[in-house]
Amino acid sequence: QKEVEQNSGPLSVPEGAIASLNCTYSDRGSQSFFWYRQYSGKSPELIMSIYSNGDKEDGRFTAQLNKASQYVSLLIRDSQPSDSATYLCAVNIYSNYQLIWGAGTKLIIKP
Amino acid sequence: DAMVIQNPRYQVTQFGKPVTLSCSQTLNHNVMYWYQQKSSQAPKLLFHYYDKDFNNEADTPDNFQSRRPNTSFCFLDIRSPGLGDAAMYLCATSRESGPGLGMSSYNEQFFGPGTRLTVL
Repeated sequence: QKEVEQNSGPLSVPEGAIASLNCTYSDRGSQSFFWYRQYSGKSPELIMSIYSNGDKEDGRFTAQLNKASQYVSLLIRDSQPSDSATYLCAVNIYSNYQLIWGAGTKLIIKP
Repeated sequence: DAMVIQNPRYQVTQFGKPVTLSCSQTLNHNVMYWYQQKSSQAPKLLFHYYDKDFNNEADTPDNFQSRRPNTSFCFLDIRSPGLGDAAMYLCATSRESGPGLGMSSYNEQFFGPGTRLTVL
């Protein structure tokens, strides 16, 4: 059974601090890794994609991938109240068009 | 702007009354997906089209059907909605090169705003 695991939270972080979200996956054949942000009642929005080991930065967001340890993380610097949302981790296995989804981590940024 | 559009945004139907949800895209993506998402759960893939090829998930109930008349449009038909079918229905698209072409499938999926289905 291919699985993606996330802590459901809520994760509470003070405004301006770094929020760290983690995700582990079970299938070593996983090729592509995604972080989606989902506000309550809205659809998921792709915020980061990462395909190779290491860090990828985009503005206040940094995705980190460690294939040997089978985890991917998302760091949000200078957290803002508008970052409060559920963050979904999704993983793709080569030649399969399905994404395997984690259940999401609810992030709360406290002003 | 290129986008994924879903209509209606909110749909109320009665138990057993058929309903059709629509999705259109201007991204010119070749793969379209339908997901069901219930509160505090991950999206659950119902089926997807790779071009015109339909791929049904093994655990998708027969009550759910889909049509893709052209590249831009895809429909989700729920033949006899039950109370358990109340959920957010999400349409997503991706651009895939396909297997056997020597390229990885990156599978970045882009979602429409969703349709919230209520079953009375």
